[in-house]
Amino acid sequence: DTGVSQDPRHKITKRGQNVTFRCDPISEHNRLYWYRQTLGQGPEFLTYFQNEAQLEKSRLLSDRFSAERPKGSFSTLEIQRTEQGDSAMYLCASSFGIGTEAFFGQGTRLTVV
Amino acid sequence: GIQVEQSPPDLILQEGANSTLRCNFSDSVNNLQWFHQNPWGQLINLFYIPSGTKQNGRLSATTVATERYSLLYISSSQTTDSGVYFCAGEIYNQGGKLIFGQGTELSVKP
Repeated sequence: DTGVSQDPRHKITKRGQNVTFRCDPISEHNRLYWYRQTLGQGPEFLTYFQNEAQLEKSRLLSDRFSAERPKGSFSTLEIQRTEQGDSAMYLCASSFGIGTEAFFGQGTRLTVV
Repeated sequence: GIQVEQSPPDLILQEGANSTLRCNFSDSVNNLQWFHQNPWGQLINLFYIPSGTKQNGRLSATTVATERYSLLYISSSQTTDSGVYFCAGEIYNQGGKLIFGQGTELSVKP
């Protein structure tokens, strides 16, 4: 078990470009969550999957954001037409579900210039 | 509303001192977890503690679910304990998603 893995660790992009992040959860976990953390704040929920089904999206997730989890394994989070306000740490977590411990990846730090 | 509140927001300690961090949570929150965010941003699991007391080395945690609070104790603090500590709880009946407090930033001076 190598834990939750995220790629890339850092991404610098120009405003208006599209970016995609990847998360590989702990293999036995069927739940996968995305969070966003801005400077000085706690992480905030974005969306989550049970297996391949996306079950909830936060109001923070504008229509420029899309997430997938094909085959219920890894997940991708894509941001289209990035804006400076998208600059943040994007964190992925996985768990067995309700009432179980969640484990987080190293995060992807996005800077939009 | 649904809330998780941490105190204090900042804490400065001399190496070797003890500290207590507090997390209050609202009725719709349960299954508390404590994390330490390392300088690179990763959230390191400290405790999963829906209720009761757990200990791991110099760290221990207690959650009193009926009174809606959790405490994290750090004894004999070391400079490597520095960083931000978050508590987070599951929002009841919402798929296991977590709501986080604002964090306590701990600085341990040599």
